[in-house]
Amino acid sequence: GDSVTQMEGPVTLSEEAFLTINCTYTATGYPSLFWYVQYPGEGLQLLLKATKADDKGSNKGFEATYRKETTSFHLEKGSVQVSDSAVYFCALLGNTGKLIFGQGTTLQVKP
Amino acid sequence: EAQVTQNPRYLITVTGKKLTVTCSQNMNHEYMSWYRQDPGLGLRQIYYSMNVEVTDKGDVPEGYKVSRKEKRNFPLILESPSPNQTSLYFCASRTGTENSPLHFGNGTRLTVT
Repeated sequence: GDSVTQMEGPVTLSEEAFLTINCTYTATGYPSLFWYVQYPGEGLQLLLKATKADDKGSNKGFEATYRKETTSFHLEKGSVQVSDSAVYFCALLGNTGKLIFGQGTTLQVKP
Repeated sequence: EAQVTQNPRYLITVTGKKLTVTCSQNMNHEYMSWYRQDPGLGLRQIYYSMNVEVTDKGDVPEGYKVSRKEKRNFPLILESPSPNQTSLYFCASRTGTENSPLHFGNGTRLTVT
């Protein structure tokens, strides 16, 4: 069945460092891919999405490119801030119509 | 303000004592869903509803019930809670379009002793 695998955390970075959180997926057909972010004490909220191969989703300085050849959707940001500290979830929407989440990656950014 | 409201935020209860977690959305969304979040497991879907009076099992439905009598409300019922249901629960909603973003509530942290 469909699945999503994220790099294990926590990821600890200094402010202004470059961020990459890896996400790979397994799915039949052409799924849509998402990144959700969960700030402390809150529910998840959509960060960005891509619906077809080579699409790039972007929001708040974060980017992710849908790479079908490597079945990946890695999240990147050029310069992280303390306020980016959160848990990040990669997710896919496949042929079943069900949204499948990865296990989440905790990012901690230190001043 | 568009939002999904869950109550309570925190709940401590004992094994076997029936409880209900409420969820309400004010966005006229057709689709609603319940998830539980556990360390290392991400979010797992418990139940979902495509519209009023239509509910379906998710990946981990055992020990839970739901109902969808009105479009805005989707309560989660634990008839006889057990310690393995200690978790962080989220309600979410979206429009009827599959690709539309899910809107989440702020979560309910349940502890069953």
